[in-house]
Amino acid sequence: AQSVTQLDSQVPVFEEAPVELRCNYSSSVSVYLFWYVQYPNQGLQLLLKYLSGSTLVKGINGFEAEFNKSQTSFHLRKPSVHISDTAEYFCAVSDASNFGNEKLTFGTGTRLTIIP
Amino acid sequence: AAGVIQSPRHLIKEKRETATLKCYPIPRHDTVYWYQQGPGQDPQFLISFYEKMQSDKGSIPDRFSAQQFSDYHSELNMSSLELGDSALYFCASSSRRDRVGYTFGSGTRLTVV
Repeated sequence: AQSVTQLDSQVPVFEEAPVELRCNYSSSVSVYLFWYVQYPNQGLQLLLKYLSGSTLVKGINGFEAEFNKSQTSFHLRKPSVHISDTAEYFCAVSDASNFGNEKLTFGTGTRLTIIP
Repeated sequence: AAGVIQSPRHLIKEKRETATLKCYPIPRHDTVYWYQQGPGQDPQFLISFYEKMQSDKGSIPDRFSAQQFSDYHSELNMSSLELGDSALYFCASSSRRDRVGYTFGSGTRLTVV
């Protein structure tokens, strides 16, 4: 089984400042990692994913994340945030050894609030 | 591009009633997943289907059942509804063959009153 920890439930950041949303995972098997964004009253949109290869993953809207196997982390970063980035961000993990049955285990989410 | 379609978008039911949620996956996607997201909660995996067969089961109550049909659409049936069933229900689809990844629908918001 896997688990995901997002230590920061809320992160306020000034507009145009950089941001890092933390995600740590626990798993006895190799994993795939994901970041999803959820705007108010909307569905889940994939920001980026790590399946294999380069540990630095670039996603949409200027976000990137780095997979660190030794620290079991997959932190999300953006060098300069905008008001439109205000949303809930979920880190998720799936079992990479269970090919084709990739149910996701989500963290509890981080609410990113951009301050004008 | 076609996305995952869920219907209805909103549903209001009374306690002890029955609800049916529908999910139409992206064309050529063969796997469907259902998730439940309570207010202020993270999404929780309920159940998944591959090629019309149940492939995995999560924290789905016995009052709920689901199936995937020959056209790959899926339905989540919920009986004896309780107030605690009020949540956003997401469907997602993926393709084992193409490994194109996971796509979520916009969800069905179920309110039990």
